[in-house]
Amino acid sequence: EVQLVESGGGLVQPGGSLRLSCATSGFSFSSYWMNWVRQAPGKGLEWVANIKPDGSGKYYAESVQGRFTISRDSAQNSVSLQMNSLRVDDTAVYFCTRALTTAPHWGQGILVIVSS
Amino acid sequence: QTVVTQEPSFSVSPGETVTLTCALSSGPVSSTHYPSWYQQTPGQTPRTLVYSTNTRSSGVPDRFSGSRVGNKAVLTITGVQAEDESDYFCAFYLPSGLSVFGGGTKLTVL
Repeated sequence: EVQLVESGGGLVQPGGSLRLSCATSGFSFSSYWMNWVRQAPGKGLEWVANIKPDGSGKYYAESVQGRFTISRDSAQNSVSLQMNSLRVDDTAVYFCTRALTTAPHWGQGILVIVSS
Repeated sequence: QTVVTQEPSFSVSPGETVTLTCALSSGPVSSTHYPSWYQQTPGQTPRTLVYSTNTRSSGVPDRFSGSRVGNKAVLTITGVQAEDESDYFCAFYLPSGLSVFGGGTKLTVL
């Protein structure tokens, strides 16, 4: 069974940092792109970042470029999102997702609240 | 910046067929955009319905189907049921390596 489990969310002040992690199991992790997608309260889905299977390519939405960094650990079958210089409008549920192009699978999501 | 346009809302009666569309501001939708469709009810995790234009995800009823019609990606729900009342989002993979979601369609089953 494919599983993706996010962790690391919580409350952080504007300008602060947070690191999200996503533990995966049940599939060949090294074969898939991995993504982070977020959803602000009452809003739609917003793609945040993705990373190639071998980690050689990383891509970011304009709204997080230069502040967020995606990475993956093939030994741990995990993907992470380092979020720096957080803003109030980064408040959202963050979903770890497997390959939006090929049999996408979603984690349950983790809430990040940026507030003073 | 590429924008994806979906119908904001749609109302349909049970048993009817509804066609939801997604358009790309950058031009026609092609198979290389790998159109995908997701269903989400409030407070729940999105559920993958269709990916790679027309491949139905495991466990998804066959009343849901994806295709390309003209310049758009299309999700057709044949014989809508009350339980299909949800928000529907499409997504595309872009040649630049980025991905993008549409704003979502709120489907109401009357």
